[in-house]
Amino acid sequence: GAVVSQHPSWVICKSGTSVKIECRSLDFQATTMFWYRQFPKQSLMLMATSNEGSKATYEQGVEKDKFLINHASLTLSTLTVTSAHPEDSSFYICSARDPRTDGNEQFFGPGTRLTVL
Amino acid sequence: AQTVTQSQPEMSVQEAETVTLSCTYDTSENNYYLFWYKQPPSRQMILVIRQEAYKQQNATENRFSVNFQKAAKSFSLKISDSQLGDTAMYFCAFRGSNSGYALNFGKGTSLLVTP
Repeated sequence: GAVVSQHPSWVICKSGTSVKIECRSLDFQATTMFWYRQFPKQSLMLMATSNEGSKATYEQGVEKDKFLINHASLTLSTLTVTSAHPEDSSFYICSARDPRTDGNEQFFGPGTRLTVL
Repeated sequence: AQTVTQSQPEMSVQEAETVTLSCTYDTSENNYYLFWYKQPPSRQMILVIRQEAYKQQNATENRFSVNFQKAAKSFSLKISDSQLGDTAMYFCAFRGSNSGYALNFGKGTSLLVTP
């Protein structure tokens, strides 16, 4: 299957700083990528849909000014957590839709663990 | 909005036995996709099996099969000949035709395969 990478795999930052997480589709072009958040022992919650060349679509309750998403190319989407606080500590997972696949399958990155001190 | 319900938070099965994980969903759509994903301790999401709602035949992938009951809005996963490597969280997911390809996940079932 297709490969999606995320960087960094884990990050620790101080409260009030900003953190950028990258999501890359390595062997296909992804016009659509998704960002999910997963708290310990919980499910994945969709935060936003990232569309190449246009503004992201945020789910209800997700602050778009706090979680900035940029999808500047067909292989890269970034999530920036601005002015991070301890409650933003979580596991962030991206996925990318591969239009070549039957059913437009989503392939997931390995996730990024964010800890805000 | 669609909801996905997994009523079994934890399950356990002995190696080589068969286990069935349940999933129900609620939707008013007629065309949609259903998925089972596996999340092992590494936390990498892995697609186990996929079912298109318009297909009546149940999907199968080696030891994994589903029982898709469209009228009942039920989508259970059967794992045959369970292996230790099947130990993981299993998430049922729904993708509607109007969702922009986004997935709506259930809360998950933690499966433990014991020797």
